[in-house]
Amino acid sequence: DAGVIQSPRHEVTEMGQEVTLRCKPISGHDYLFWYRQTMMRGLELLIYFNNNVPIDDSGMPEDRFSAKMPNASFSTLKIQPSEPRDSAVYFCASYKGEGANEQFFGPGTRLTVL
Amino acid sequence: GQNIDQPTEMTATEGAIVQINCTYQTSGFNGLFWYQQHAGEAPTFLSYNVLDGLEEKGRFSSFLSRSKGYSYLLLKELQMKDSASYLCAVNNDYKLSFGAGTTVTVRA
Repeated sequence: DAGVIQSPRHEVTEMGQEVTLRCKPISGHDYLFWYRQTMMRGLELLIYFNNNVPIDDSGMPEDRFSAKMPNASFSTLKIQPSEPRDSAVYFCASYKGEGANEQFFGPGTRLTVL
Repeated sequence: GQNIDQPTEMTATEGAIVQINCTYQTSGFNGLFWYQQHAGEAPTFLSYNVLDGLEEKGRFSSFLSRSKGYSYLLLKELQMKDSASYLCAVNNDYKLSFGAGTTVTVRA
């Protein structure tokens, strides 16, 4: 298995631009999570999906952030418009479900907003 | 709310033992994870404790006391490759709340 796949690995954009981050979870995993990691705030959960349905988006910082999961093998996290304070590493993780322990993290997307 | 505390940094010598403590006060609790994260990489799973007690997995062991809101990760026979950040995370209905992480530096 290829593990969780994220793209792009690095993104540099200017303030005000739209940014779309992509994630392909591990096949057969029912849960998908989006996290953000910064030096100041550490690793924070933004939103998670179960069977493609958003379950909890209480960690999404503002209306500028949105996430979708149109099918079991693809999810996007969009920021529109982006701001410098959105600069962070964004991780996607997937989890198989009941009986399993581990959330598997993707390699992350390092976002820099100038 | 969630309050998860762990030391910021620890330094130890190759071959030694280091214990990383984690205390938590959270609104819900299903279990506690320990993850390892090398600089510039994704977190990788080390252990998951649901019940009180010690779980051993090779050189790494993890302990949980739910009544005290306390866990520790024990790293034995330290190797240079163990230099990394170690994150404890409380699981509450699939939502993980992470501590700030403990940076462990292993010196020769």
